[in-house]
Amino acid sequence: AQSVTQLDSQVPVFEEAPVELRCNYSSSVSVYLFWYVQYPNQGLQLLLKYLSGSTLVKGINGFEAEFNKSQTSFHLRKPSVHISDTAEYFCAVRGYGQNFVFGPGTRLSVLP
Amino acid sequence: DAGVTQSPTHLIKTRGQHVTLRCSPISGHKSVSWYQQVLGQGPQFIFQYYEKEERGRGNFPDRFSARQFPNYSSELNVNALLLGDSALYLCASSLDRTGANVLTFGAGSRLTVL
Repeated sequence: AQSVTQLDSQVPVFEEAPVELRCNYSSSVSVYLFWYVQYPNQGLQLLLKYLSGSTLVKGINGFEAEFNKSQTSFHLRKPSVHISDTAEYFCAVRGYGQNFVFGPGTRLSVLP
Repeated sequence: DAGVTQSPTHLIKTRGQHVTLRCSPISGHKSVSWYQQVLGQGPQFIFQYYEKEERGRGNFPDRFSARQFPNYSSELNVNALLLGDSALYLCASSLDRTGANVLTFGAGSRLTVL
């Protein structure tokens, strides 16, 4: 079985500042890793995914994440945030042939 | 192309009632999954259906059931509703059930149980 931890439930940051949202996972098998974003009153939208290969993956809206197998982490980063990035961000893990397991989410609030 | 569509978008029920939620996947997607998202929490896996058969079930009581139709659309049914069933119910589709395929989510059906 897999589990996902997102240590920061809320992250306030000023506009144009950098941000990092942390994600750690546990699994006994190899996994695929994902970040999803949820805007108010909407479903989840895929930001980026790590399947294999380069440990640094780039996604939409200027976000990127780095897979660190030794630390079982998949932290999400953006060098300069905008007001429109205010949303809930979910890290998710999936073993081959298994179901997605989501973390509890991190609420990113971008302040003017 | 249409994304994942869910209906109804909002509904209010009272305790003990029954509810049916519907989902149409992206054209060509054969796998449909259902998730429950309680306010302030991450989505929790309920069911996965692939080629009209149940392929996975989360830790939910037997009051929850689902099915997938020949056109790959799906229904989630919840009987004997409890206050704790109030949540956003998300449907997601994918090409198949392997791990490399991402889930594409619908906007959800928000259920309020009074």
